[in-house]
Amino acid sequence: GENVEQHPSTLSVQEGDSAVIKCTYSDSASNYFPWYKQELGKRPQLIIDIRSNVGEKKDQRIAVTLNKTAKHFSLHITETQPEDSAVYFCAANPSGYSTLTFGKGTMLLVSP
Amino acid sequence: DGGITQSPKYLFRKEGQNVTLSCEQNLNHDAMYWYRQDPGQGLRLIYYSQIVNDFQKGDIAEGYSVSREKKESFPLTVTSAQKNPTAFYLCASSITPSGGGGANVLTFGAGSRLTVL
Repeated sequence: GENVEQHPSTLSVQEGDSAVIKCTYSDSASNYFPWYKQELGKRPQLIIDIRSNVGEKKDQRIAVTLNKTAKHFSLHITETQPEDSAVYFCAANPSGYSTLTFGKGTMLLVSP
Repeated sequence: DGGITQSPKYLFRKEGQNVTLSCEQNLNHDAMYWYRQDPGQGLRLIYYSQIVNDFQKGDIAEGYSVSREKKESFPLTVTSAQKNPTAFYLCASSITPSGGGGANVLTFGAGSRLTVL
C-alpha cells in the first residue's frame, strides 16, 4: 500500500516569513495529492490539491509543487500570517484505490 | 453545519462497553469514511463505504464495526474488542469514491471525542 512521510512535524516561523512542508510517497501510481488544514478544534478542510499531470499549482499565498520522479510534493506558504497557524496534512491517492493515505501532519505556528 | 453532522461531540465510555458514533450527511455524497485521529499519528482510515449496503475495512478496522443502510448515514460502533479506543473520530464524505483518477474532495464532520474511563 501507499506510505506517506511528512516533515517537519512542527514548524515555527515569524509573521511574514515563508513556510515549506514536504511530503514523500511510495507508490509511483499515486496521481492525486491534496493538502488539508486543520485549525485548533476544527475539522480538516482542503486548501489546495494537485494532480500528477501538473508540476505546480498556486492559489494566492499558497502553492504546491510535485516532483513525480523523486516522488515528493511540497506545500509553500508565503507571507505567513497568525491565522495560518494550524496542523497541515498531506495525502496521496494511488490510482485504482478509493481512499487517501495521509501523512502524520505538521503543526505550523506563526508568531506575530 | 458543513453538511456532515457527527454526534455526540463528546462521549465517555466504561471499559467493556460498546458505543456507537453517529454520522449523517445531507450532501448526497456516495462515499463515506471514518478516520481516527491521535496526536502525532495523522488521520488513519477505519472503514469506508462507496455505496449503500457495502463497506470495506481500512488500515485499522480491528475492534470497530459499521453499517451503511442509508446513503445519508454511516454509524461507527467502537466495540469492547478495541484495545485503545480513546481518540478523536472524524467522519467524512465525498461525491464519489476517490481513486481511478477521479479523486474527490473529502468533506469532514466536526468530530467525536471518545474517552474510555
